[in-house]
Amino acid sequence: GAGVSQTPSNKVTEKGKYVELRCDPISGHTALYWYRQSLGQGPEFLIYFQGTGAADDSGLPNDRFFAVRPEGSVSTLKIQRTERGDSAVYLCASSLKPTSWSSWTEETEAFFGQGTRLTVV
Amino acid sequence: GNSVTQMEGPVTLSEEAFLTINCTYTATGYPSLFWYVQYPGEGLQLLLKATKADDKGSNKGFEATYRKETTSFHLEKGSVQVSDSAVYFCALSKLYNQGGKLIFGQGTELSVKP
Repeated sequence: GAGVSQTPSNKVTEKGKYVELRCDPISGHTALYWYRQSLGQGPEFLIYFQGTGAADDSGLPNDRFFAVRPEGSVSTLKIQRTERGDSAVYLCASSLKPTSWSSWTEETEAFFGQGTRLTVV
Repeated sequence: GNSVTQMEGPVTLSEEAFLTINCTYTATGYPSLFWYVQYPGEGLQLLLKATKADDKGSNKGFEATYRKETTSFHLEKGSVQVSDSAVYFCALSKLYNQGGKLIFGQGTELSVKP
């Protein structure tokens, strides 16, 4: 596609339920990131994929959060036993190249989707 | 740890006014610095970047200079337009062994009135 696509754009769920959020990165992008943006705050890093593997999941807040990218393209962020504090906008980003040990290049620029607004009631 | 602090908003300016949004950072080593913009109803977009000390990033009339001595990356524009109304995020990245993940400031909302 032309850009990073996230579905659904909005999700309302009840406390305790399970939710899945989907991210379709730009075609050919090998790196994929998930961020969470709470109201009035900047995005916070959750997890980073290089291809199919999670290269860095240090931002996942607890074991209720899990993400997969089985074929190295589409990624799904899964949240179990949702809590009201999980309410936020979940952003996905992708970049052409994975980790770089050198300085920033256009190939490592991250392109963001419009996000999924999750509301836990 | 690494962090970014930017001035609180909202900032309200008249068209053609001068804009400064302050950003300071804390990081070990040599991060890359970025300004992202989020227009209403749209996703985050990279506005400009600087990858080493004294670099100046520029785009669409916006500028920011990477000042290592003051650990700052203030965003400036000489004459704002109504279309610049958006939320601006300062961010840093340490690509070295961190895969390019970004650490963002809290964002500054800019509203430009005609």
